[in-house]
Amino acid sequence: GESVGLHLPTLSVQEGDNSIINCAYSNSASDYFIWYKQESGKGPQFIIDIRSNMDKRQGQRVTVLLNKTVKHLSLQIAATQPGDSAVYFCAENARPSGTYKYIFGTGTRLKVLA
Amino acid sequence: KAGVTQTPRYLIKTRGQQVTLSCSPISGHRSVSWYQQTPGQGLQFLFEYFSETQRNKGNFPGRFSGRQFSNSRSEMNVSTLELGDSALYLCASSLEWLGASSDTQYFGPGTRLTVL
Repeated sequence: GESVGLHLPTLSVQEGDNSIINCAYSNSASDYFIWYKQESGKGPQFIIDIRSNMDKRQGQRVTVLLNKTVKHLSLQIAATQPGDSAVYFCAENARPSGTYKYIFGTGTRLKVLA
Repeated sequence: KAGVTQTPRYLIKTRGQQVTLSCSPISGHRSVSWYQQTPGQGLQFLFEYFSETQRNKGNFPGRFSGRQFSNSRSEMNVSTLELGDSALYLCASSLEWLGASSDTQYFGPGTRLTVL
């Protein structure tokens, strides 16, 4: 079926540590993936994206890894800061039943402990 | 460049009423997608408009409709409101329509709709 799921609904990390947020997707034909950050009361904010012809992409303090063999996506945040506290969503560009759309995961809440 | 804007930010309605939400995309973006976000269902795709035409549609009843104007601004309408329609309604814009290319969607702040 169509689903993008996350393994951990809540992740607590110490400030300064690295965070890893995981995501499983089910559509093997999906060719584009995005990670979003959503803070309370705000809309999702684009963090980083990756296309299916890549397995790794780095941004500022963030890295996304894509493993197409097991349909797994991860977001790594280096030196996690209090401002990183938010809910993180992965999204895949899918086309189930001929409809093009983004399918979002349920989200992982990241809590940064001082 | 200004981001995606949505109005109003908050709305309270009663059952049976109808509501219209507005979204202005990033300048130059021609695709606008609408999403419903609830704690129980997460982010659910409603529909996408491109060049004033609905290009893609999610699994929502006909009470949910939309339109897009020539300047790419979009409106979403919900008729005969139900309690379960209480949600955060988000719109997202992108340069091209979802089927043309893998294009990044940028979200607005959302409209919080409460149905009493």
